[in-house]
Amino acid sequence: RKEVEQDPGPFNVPEGATVAFNCTYSNSASQSFFWYRQDCRKEPKLLMSVYSSGNEDGRFTAQLNRASQYISLLIRDSKLSDSATYLCVVYISGGYNKLIFGAGTRLAVHP
Amino acid sequence: SAVISQKPSRDICQRGTSLTIQCQVDSQVTMMFWYRQQPGQSLTLIATANQGSEATYESGFVIDKFPISRPNLTFSTLTVSNMSPEDSSIYLCSVEDPGLAGRYYNEQFFGPGTRLTVL
Repeated sequence: RKEVEQDPGPFNVPEGATVAFNCTYSNSASQSFFWYRQDCRKEPKLLMSVYSSGNEDGRFTAQLNRASQYISLLIRDSKLSDSATYLCVVYISGGYNKLIFGAGTRLAVHP
Repeated sequence: SAVISQKPSRDICQRGTSLTIQCQVDSQVTMMFWYRQQPGQSLTLIATANQGSEATYESGFVIDKFPISRPNLTFSTLTVSNMSPEDSSIYLCSVEDPGLAGRYYNEQFFGPGTRLTVL
């Protein structure tokens, strides 16, 4: 079993749609959780961190359920510029720190 | 945040040769990492580059194949040795440091990557 599993995608949605991505992780020692965005042929960039209380940044809302080891990302009012691959990432600390990346979910927003 | 540069940005190499990739950061950072991203795949951590000591390698990666140097807090190199076509990938370095004042604790910043093709 992969340490971080995501919806495989791709998600093809029209502009203005709401889309949700899901992610599960297997390591209960995971301490922090993130969504990164990666554009084609570019490096990943942090989109937002994910808190148990949920957090919102404009059109983006992230949720964490530690009991279920489940993370979600909701994008409202999709824009063409949201087209990218979204990577679910967990941070593990213990001895040394490291990020574990999911395989990513590709989103394509069309006019 | 941090400004990270990598050299070369891309290269095409012959089987059996070695390539050294450089990663330079514009500020001193505690932690530097090397990742590999194979075509159509997500990122896989190769190793943590430790300043002044041997790198810490992840399962499946060994020092003989991917020797790493980290002579100071702003610079690291990754060598891909005795290359084969299976090594064709994007190699990225990343950094993490509490002093980078990222938006979030434990945020890592990535370099632009080195795109390697092995013939």
